[in-house]
Amino acid sequence: DGGITQSPKYLFRKEGQNVTLSCEQNLNHDAMYWYRQDPGQGLRLIYYSQIVNDFQKGDIAEGYSVSREKKESFPLTVTSAQKNPTAFYLCASSIGLGQTTKNYGYTFGSGTRLTVV
Amino acid sequence: SQQGEEDPQALSIQEGENATMNCSYKTSINNLQWYRQNSGRGLVHLILIRSNEREKHSGRLRVTLDTSKKSSSLLITASRAADTASYFCATGANSGGYQKVTFGIGTKLQVIP
Repeated sequence: DGGITQSPKYLFRKEGQNVTLSCEQNLNHDAMYWYRQDPGQGLRLIYYSQIVNDFQKGDIAEGYSVSREKKESFPLTVTSAQKNPTAFYLCASSIGLGQTTKNYGYTFGSGTRLTVV
Repeated sequence: SQQGEEDPQALSIQEGENATMNCSYKTSINNLQWYRQNSGRGLVHLILIRSNEREKHSGRLRVTLDTSKKSSSLLITASRAADTASYFCATGANSGGYQKVTFGIGTKLQVIP
């Protein structure tokens, strides 16, 4: 079955440490996104990518970095510069940038919960 | 910035009752989507309504869109305990040459058996 796989499900980060969250899709979607979800604030866009080797900052990119070396993969690195990284991180994909078909919207992974220890 | 804002933020109903959630937005949109999120999981797409449509149905779901009032509603009829989840609206609007999708803060629905 096609879908998006995020790993790990839970991740713990020490102060000053960089961590990388994995996101892989086998839907042949061109566009991929990273969102951060905090209680009471909904989803906020961190980075998005329209195509391989291209990505753009979203609304809250500071302290994060991404790469898109393969169509299927869009890993997110939470750097030590991100001072409040504890959150639920969601990866999503769509056919094209911002594009949704008549019956399908974005496809989301199951999320990674990152906690600073 | 938030585009869609859901109302109410939390809703508790008895099984079998109907649940209505509302979403308001501020700027012109191309479409509006509703998503469901079970606790600790990703979002699942429920339904999309385009700006030139007024109502859509999918199973027990009914979505309306009033572009003059910049609002949408999601109705879940004959609710079940399994409908307990958070529901998000997401607006699609032109931004910098592409369609940007912006999510609201969600309505947390509890269906009591």
